Amino acid sequence: NAGVTQTPKFQVLKTGQSMTLQCAQDMNHEYMSWYRQDPGMGLRLIHYSVGAGITDQGEVPNGYNVSRSTTEDFPLRLLSAAPSQTSVYFCASSAQDTYEQYFGPGTRLTVT
Amino acid sequence: AQKITQTQPGMFVQEKEAVTLDCTYDTSDQSYGLFWYKQPSSGEMIFLIYQGSYDEQNATEGRYSLNFQKARKSANLVISASQLGDSAMYFCAMREVLLYNTDKLIFGTGTRLQVFP
Repeated sequence: NAGVTQTPKFQVLKTGQSMTLQCAQDMNHEYMSWYRQDPGMGLRLIHYSVGAGITDQGEVPNGYNVSRSTTEDFPLRLLSAAPSQTSVYFCASSAQDTYEQYFGPGTRLTVT
Repeated sequence: AQKITQTQPGMFVQEKEAVTLDCTYDTSDQSYGLFWYKQPSSGEMIFLIYQGSYDEQNATEGRYSLNFQKARKSANLVISASQLGDSAMYFCAMREVLLYNTDKLIFGTGTRLQVFP
C-alpha cells in the first residue's frame, strides 16, 4: 500500500504557465481533496471530490481546476500560474463514513 | 462559521516533561469532530488523535491525549513524556460537513513545539 502519492515534490513555474499536480491513492477511498498551506496559516480546502465524476469547490478554488475520472486519481490543474499560488499543496483521501483523512507528502510550488 | 484558534505560536518543553498545546473552537453544530495533526520539518501531515463531540471520554493515543472541555469549547492536546522527535508543528482541526455527506477540515494556524534536552 503506497497510500496517497503526489508528484512532483517540488516545482518552479513562471507567471502564466500552466501545470498539473498529480495525486493518486490506492486505498479505494471515495473522497479526495486538495488543500493548500501558506506560511502562518493552516491548510485550506481548494476542491474536493466524493467519487468519480463528482467534484465541488472548497474555500479557495479560484485559479484551479479539478476532474476525477477514476477512483484512484485526482489531479489539480493550475490554469495560469500566479505568484499568489506559491504554496505547499496537499492531497488527502478518506473512506466513506470515516473521519480520518490520509494526506500525501505534499508538493512545494513556487511561482516567480 | 466554524473557526479554530491556536493562540500559542511557539512552545518549548524539556525532554521527558509533559506539555499542553491549546486549541479553542467555534461552531454552532451539535455534531462535530476535532483532530490534532503533527507536521515535522519534512512536511508531511501525521494524524495524531480524534475526538467526537458526543464521545464521553477524552481520546487517548499512546503519549497523546485530548483534553476535551465542551462547555469551554476547548480541545487541548497533552503530550506526556516529551521526546526530541516531538519537535514539530502541531495543528488543531475541526470537521465541517459539506455536500454529499463528505467533510472538510478547518485548521488552526498551528503551534511550533520545540523539545530540548
